[in-house]
Amino acid sequence: SAVISQKPSRDICQRGTSLTIQCQVDSQVTMMFWYRQQPGQSLTLIATANQGSEATYESGFVIDKFPISRPNLTFSTLTVSNMSPEDSSIYLCSVATGGSNQPQHFGDGTRLSIL
Amino acid sequence: GQQLNQSPQSMFIQEGEDVSMNCTSSSIFNTWLWYKQDPGEGPVLLIALYKAGELTSNGRLTAQFGITRKDSFLNISASIPSDVGIYFCAGDQTGANNLFFGTGTRLTVIP
Repeated sequence: SAVISQKPSRDICQRGTSLTIQCQVDSQVTMMFWYRQQPGQSLTLIATANQGSEATYESGFVIDKFPISRPNLTFSTLTVSNMSPEDSSIYLCSVATGGSNQPQHFGDGTRLSIL
Repeated sequence: GQQLNQSPQSMFIQEGEDVSMNCTSSSIFNTWLWYKQDPGEGPVLLIALYKAGELTSNGRLTAQFGITRKDSFLNISASIPSDVGIYFCAGDQTGANNLFFGTGTRLTVIP
């Protein structure tokens, strides 16, 4: 399966600042997704990153707070804007190759702590 | 979003024992997936299921897509210490690959 690299792997940030997380895949993939995993919790889908168009956000997540870019088929970024302590989570990128019924594979995540 | 409930929430078993866990929902899903997450890592895909009643194995792991399409089961035979981790089920309802994740089962294997 594809090799997925996320940067940074972890960060500690001050409230009110923004952080951009990068997701790089070693091969072209059809679909890329961003998830949030709050401490000790399960994964929640934030959005589907669409190549060449605006991301599709899930209920409870908005573009102003989590702007996403996907300039090509191997790269995407997620920005966490105007951070507060409640944004402390693991942010995970996943990809699916082929059609929409192909299973998703995950990167190792970005562990974000906001002070 | 959809709620996928996993049971049990946690398990402590002796090495060599078999393990069973399940995932249930009040809604129908078209795809069921099982992932394992180790500390500090992302979830790793174990098994994918696409058809009601489907039974699929991956080594010592066996998973089934429930006939009602509202549940799935994962069994691990002859557990070993490296089976320790959190097991998540995930389901897709629409075929658009929008996954809902279960609440997780934390497995501890005692050597």
